[in-house]
Amino acid sequence: EDKVVQSPLSLVVHEGDTVTLNCSYEVTNFRSLLWYKQEKKAPTFLFMLTSSGIEKKSGRLSSILDKKELFSILNITATQTGDSAVYLCAVEVPGSEKLVFGKGTKLTVNP
Amino acid sequence: EPEVTQTPSHQVTQMGQEVILRCVPISNHLYFYWYRQILGQKVEFLVSFYNNEISEKSEIFDDQFSVERPDGSNFTLKIRSTKLEDSAMYFCASTVGLEQYFGPGTRLTVT
Repeated sequence: EDKVVQSPLSLVVHEGDTVTLNCSYEVTNFRSLLWYKQEKKAPTFLFMLTSSGIEKKSGRLSSILDKKELFSILNITATQTGDSAVYLCAVEVPGSEKLVFGKGTKLTVNP
Repeated sequence: EPEVTQTPSHQVTQMGQEVILRCVPISNHLYFYWYRQILGQKVEFLVSFYNNEISEKSEIFDDQFSVERPDGSNFTLKIRSTKLEDSAMYFCASTVGLEQYFGPGTRLTVT
């Protein structure tokens, strides 16, 4: 069953646009939710969220977690072509060390 | 900046052959993982390793798979008799806390 669901699956925007990527999950009492950016190969770590309502920010990227409604969003402002990638959301399952990934959102930023 | 490395980047093998995928985790990390990603699908957990033993494994990780930390730096995944459906990208990850850092992956092609 799908425990981590990302939407949209695919998104095409123009440079300068702002995008919001969504991640909902069906795992309660988890330890953390993580966002990764996957370009050609390895997922590269972006954010780890453990507390509800606290925004994490890194440059043009920001993310927030809502533990009550069981979702997280990743915002990218003033997108650039270099932001084109698949963005993965993963949840750390309680009582386990593994990450459960969503299918990802493929973002394409056109010049 | 320290990073997880993996070799080879691409391995082509015939069905039934044994393969060993190698990883060098980040040096002060204590927990090691293997994940795989079949083309177009989600990243899936295979196995976690801590203190020189498997701490958790998925249903994918059957008797054909094994992991080893032969020395203080390498972490290997062995597939004893490869099948066509083993063709995938295999990622190694390591962590000392909660954030798992991924290597660049090995693309395994079984013909």
